[in-house]
Amino acid sequence: EVLLVESGGALVQPGGSVRLSCAASGFTFSSYWMHWVRQSPGKGLVWVSRINRDGRGTTYADSVKGRFTISRDNAKNTLYLQMTSLRAEDTAVYYCARDQGLPDYWGQGTLVAVSS
Amino acid sequence: QSALTQPASVSGSPGQSITISCTATSSGVGGFTYVSWYQQHPGKAPKLIIFDVTNRPSGVSYRFSGSKSGNTASLTISGLQAEDEADYYCCSYISGSNLHVLFGGGTKLTVL
Repeated sequence: EVLLVESGGALVQPGGSVRLSCAASGFTFSSYWMHWVRQSPGKGLVWVSRINRDGRGTTYADSVKGRFTISRDNAKNTLYLQMTSLRAEDTAVYYCARDQGLPDYWGQGTLVAVSS
Repeated sequence: QSALTQPASVSGSPGQSITISCTATSSGVGGFTYVSWYQQHPGKAPKLIIFDVTNRPSGVSYRFSGSKSGNTASLTISGLQAEDEADYYCCSYISGSNLHVLFGGGTKLTVL
């Protein structure tokens, strides 16, 4: 069974940083690209970032480029999202998702709230 | 600016069929070759119900079907059931060197 479990969500002050993790199991993690997708309260899904199998290829939405960094540790079957210079508009549930052309399996999400 | 446009809401009675459209407002939307649809119940993670325009993952009800015509993809749900009440999102790529992923704004399905 494919399982993705996010962690690391927190209440953070504007300008602060947080690192999210996504532990993967039930599939060969190193064989798949991975995504981060977010959803602000009451709003729709917004794609954030994607990383290729070996971690050397990354893509970001314009809204987070230069502030967020996606990475992965294939030895630990874990995906990361380092978030810096956080803004109120970054408040959202952050989901990690496996890529199969487009996202297929999703984790349950972790909440990042940016507020003073 | 590329975008995927969905109706904000649709409704239907149990047993009826409904269709949700997803229109690409720019030709840059990945040629619309890859389109996925997701179902999301309140407080839950999205669930893939259609991939590659027309394909259903294992375990997804045959009542869900996908199609595409030109720059509009569609999700049809037949034999509506109460548990189909949820938000539905389409998804595709923005073509170009970075292949950004794009989601539609979502459609709230109400089963009357």
